[in-house]
Amino acid sequence: AQSVAQPEDQVNVAEGNPLTVKCTYSVSGNPYLFWYVQYPNRGLQFLLKYITGDNLVKGSYGFEAEFNKSQTSFHLKKPSALVSDSALYFCAVRPLSGGYNKLIFGAGTRLAVHP
Amino acid sequence: SAVISQKPSRDICQRGTSLTIQCQVDSQVTMMFWYRQQPGQSLTLIATANQGSEATYESGFVIDKFPISRPNLTFSTLTVSNMSPEDSSIYLCSVGRRDQETQYFGPGTRLLVL
Repeated sequence: AQSVAQPEDQVNVAEGNPLTVKCTYSVSGNPYLFWYVQYPNRGLQFLLKYITGDNLVKGSYGFEAEFNKSQTSFHLKKPSALVSDSALYFCAVRPLSGGYNKLIFGAGTRLAVHP
Repeated sequence: SAVISQKPSRDICQRGTSLTIQCQVDSQVTMMFWYRQQPGQSLTLIATANQGSEATYESGFVIDKFPISRPNLTFSTLTVSNMSPEDSSIYLCSVGRRDQETQYFGPGTRLLVL
């Protein structure tokens, strides 16, 4: 079965330190990969995506993500965390088979950045 | 990206009643989708709203419970029928275009069923 795993329910980081939010996937072929962020009482905001090309992709708010095909991972990173980065982060994959409509989401990781 | 609005933003409803949620996009989009986010959980795709034809439902979701309309390329509605407390969730609309890989999400509708 196709799935997305975010192994950490919560990640705690001190402001100014680097952060990593992990994501691995089990999907056949070469799926498209996405990160979304959800702030309290808000919808999902698109952060970044990997389609093809350079394994390191850059997105909004200084976030970046590294695609690793051999490990089927797509970890979200930021060199220096801000308190305002505290939110719920979702990794999602779009398999290239099964039609355009299939976005499979991970369970989400809550990021808490402490002053 | 498109600007997506949803109405209502939140509601509290009695069991057995129905609620219709609206999703409006500021530009024509090819694809519109409805997701459910149950409390403390991730997003699950309910259905794809097809313009001018019946929606395509995912496994576990049926038209009688979640009827969907999409009369044009910028508007869709999702009805949650005969509600029970288990329907308490955030319902999100998302949109996409065939020439773009990314889906964009609306702000969501927070539903509480008593």
